[in-house]
Order: sequence, then structure tokens, then C-alpha cells
Amino acid sequence: AQSVSQHNHHVILSEAASLELGCNYSYGGTVNLFWYVQYPGQHLQLLLKYFSGDPLVKGIKGFEAEFIKSKFSFNLRKPSVQWSDTAEYFCAVSLHNDYKLSFGAGTTVTVRA
Amino acid sequence: DAGVTQSPTHLIKTRGQQVTLRCSPKSGHDTVSWYQQALGQGPQFIFQYYEEEERQRGNFPDRFSGHQFPNYSSELNVNALLLGDSALYLCASSSRSKGFQPQHFGDGTRLSIL
Repeated sequence: AQSVSQHNHHVILSEAASLELGCNYSYGGTVNLFWYVQYPGQHLQLLLKYFSGDPLVKGIKGFEAEFIKSKFSFNLRKPSVQWSDTAEYFCAVSLHNDYKLSFGAGTTVTVRA
Repeated sequence: DAGVTQSPTHLIKTRGQQVTLRCSPKSGHDTVSWYQQALGQGPQFIFQYYEEEERQRGNFPDRFSGHQFPNYSSELNVNALLLGDSALYLCASSSRSKGFQPQHFGDGTRLSIL
């Protein structure tokens, strides 16, 4: 069965620390990959997406993600986090040109000032 | 430019009742998807509507049904509510006519079943 796994349930960091959130998927074929973020009290927002091309994708707010096809992974990174990055982060996958998104369980990131 | 709007924000129902949730897509979008997000979990795909027809469906029973109107807005109906239907229901919209695009999400409707 198709699935999306996020390795960390809750990550606690200090400001200026680096962040890496893992995401692995089990899908055959061409996929579209997404990271969404949900700030406290807000709706899900798109951080970045990968459809094709350069496997290193840059998103908003200094986030980037790397698609490693051989590892079925799409890990999210940020070199230096801020308190305002406190949020829940969701990895999502769809088959190529398919609107049905499959989400991971999410990772709660808490950044301490 | 209005984003995805959902109503109501919160809803409390009892087991066995029926509920209707509403969604207006982002301006310019023609495709609406519904997701269920249980506490502590990621959103789960329920179904998607385009051109007033259900195009895809996730692993949800027939108690979950929907509709899309000519103005692209959509309703999610759930019959014979169960305690396990308590969740945040999210609506997402996109535009098929502009090619494959990421979906935009609304704030959701929090449904509580007593």
C-alpha cells in the first residue's frame, strides 16, 4: 500500500539551530512531492514542491528540500531556525498529475527562543 | 483575493445525525478536494470534485458524500455520524484548467460528535 512516513513526531530546537525533517514514501512511478506547514491557528500552507527537474528545491522562508529518488526520500531542511518556525510540518505525496494527496502524520517543531 | 473559505468553523453533533459542511474555493480554482484530519494525524483524502462530478475517492464509506455546484463551491455530507467521525475537515482547491498546481487549503471545520 502507498504510504508516507515522517520520522520524527516532535522536534525541539533552539533558535539558530539547523533543522532537518525526514520524509519517506512508498510509491511506484513518478511522484509529486510537497511540504506543507501549519502555524498555530492557521491553515495548511505550501512550503515547497517538487514536480520534476533539479532535485534540490527551495521554498519560502529559507526552507529547502532534497528529492533522493533512490531512497524514496524528500527531506526538509533549514540551516538556521527562528522562533517563528514553530509549527507542524507535513510531507505529502501524489502520483504524477494526481490531485489526491497522501500525507505523513506530521512533525511538530518547537523552537525555543 | 479570497482564499479557500469553509463553514461553519465548529460544529457539534450527536451520533446518528447528519451534517453538511461547505467550501468555497479560492478565486480562479475549479477543483475541490476534501480531507479528514483526526487528532494527531495527517489529513486523509476523502474525495475530489471537478466539473460537478466526483473524480476520485479515498477509502471512506458511502456515508460520506459530496456535491459541487456550478460556481465551483462544494458540500461534504456525512450521514449516520459515528464518534470516530470527530475530526477537522479540510477543503482544498486547485485549478485543473491551469495545469497541475498545488492545492490551497482552508481553515477547516472542526466536527465534534457526542
